[in-house]
Amino acid sequence: QSPLTQPASVSGSPGHSITISCSGSSTDIGGYDFVSWYQQHPGKAPKLLIFDVYHRPSGISDRFSASKSGNTASLTISGLQADDEADYYCSSYSVSSTLVLFGGGTKLTVL
Amino acid sequence: QVTLKESGPELVRPTETLTLTCTVSGFSLSGHRMGVSWIRQPPGKALEWLGHIFSDGRRAYSASLKSRITIYRDGSESQVVLLMTNMDPVDTATYYCARAEAANYVSAFDNCGQGIRITVSS
Repeated sequence: QSPLTQPASVSGSPGHSITISCSGSSTDIGGYDFVSWYQQHPGKAPKLLIFDVYHRPSGISDRFSASKSGNTASLTISGLQADDEADYYCSSYSVSSTLVLFGGGTKLTVL
Repeated sequence: QVTLKESGPELVRPTETLTLTCTVSGFSLSGHRMGVSWIRQPPGKALEWLGHIFSDGRRAYSASLKSRITIYRDGSESQVVLLMTNMDPVDTATYYCARAEAANYVSAFDNCGQGIRITVSS
């Protein structure tokens, strides 16, 4: 069982928006602005989409946005495209001895 | 261009020690705030952070695996080694090394290697 909780799956139609949640605690998501999001296509390495809660690395589309409220972080993908179909993982710094926690992953299906 | 590449044996016997090397280019392991983590992913399952080495040589490990893992730089500025002892079939996974720019808070991995699939079987 992963330390951060994500829905196992979400789906949406092309052009629509979806939001993926990531729930943690005050010792990780709630306590620090060090939340990141990754996209992983089958057989590929994870790709950084968001860092430090809502910042996008250069080259990442502004269709990807993120936020945090309390112990829960969220990733929103707008204008869904077929290529967005992938697994999405959240991650957070943690004050525990395990410095980095990952969510269980969310499979996005573009209908 | 930043790249990371994992290398090592793809098959390990139970109870053996796994040794993986991450070779990096495009940045220095002793560069300001530059560090490398190891992350693994069992087939069909989620990512799991294993440990990290900071640019100043400090290391941090997953609490659940701390007794089995060692991460170190091999003396060069371009290679990080992961040792994992007493391998078990449940350790079968794809292992990634990933760069994180962090002085103290490991917050995001901006570059990952392609991963290496490790099978533990007799």
